[in-house]
Amino acid sequence: DGGITQSPKYLFRKEGQNVTLSCEQNLNHDAMYWYRQDPGQGLRLIYYSQIVNDFQKGDIAEGYSVSREKKESFPLTVTSAQKNPTAFYLCASSIKQGWQPQHFGDGTRLSIL
Amino acid sequence: SQQGEEDPQALSIQEGENATMNCSYKTSINNLQWYRQNSGRGLVHLILIRSNEREKHSGRLRVTLDTSKKSSSLLITASRAADTASYFCATDGVKTSYDKVIFGPGTSLSVIP
Repeated sequence: DGGITQSPKYLFRKEGQNVTLSCEQNLNHDAMYWYRQDPGQGLRLIYYSQIVNDFQKGDIAEGYSVSREKKESFPLTVTSAQKNPTAFYLCASSIKQGWQPQHFGDGTRLSIL
Repeated sequence: SQQGEEDPQALSIQEGENATMNCSYKTSINNLQWYRQNSGRGLVHLILIRSNEREKHSGRLRVTLDTSKKSSSLLITASRAADTASYFCATDGVKTSYDKVIFGPGTSLSVIP
């Protein structure tokens, strides 16, 4: 079955540490997205990518970095510069960027040790 | 700034009743989408309605769109305990600086068996 796989499901970060969240899709989608969700809130866009080797900042990119070396993969690094990283992180993909329906992974919950 | 905003924030109903959630937005749109999120999971796309459509059905779901009032409603008929989830509307913006979908804060629906 096609879908999006996020790993790990739970992640703990120490102070001053960078951590990387994995996102892999086998839907052959061009566009991929990273969102942050805080308790009781909607989704805020961190980064998105329309095509391999290209990505753009979303609304809350500070303290995060991404790469898109392969169509299937869009890893997110939460750097030590992100001072409040505790949140639920969701990866999504769509056929094309924009209004097309998005398919989501089951998220990674990041906490601070 | 937030484009779509759902109302009510939380809704609790008995199994078998109908559930209605509303979404209001501020600027003109091309499309509006509704998503469901079960606790601790990713979002699942439910339905997309275009700006030139007034009503759309999918199983027990009925979505309406009133562009003059900049609002949409999601009706779930004959609700089941399995419908317990958060529901989000997502809008694109005709005049946004880049093509993206903006998610509202969501309505939390509890269906009591």
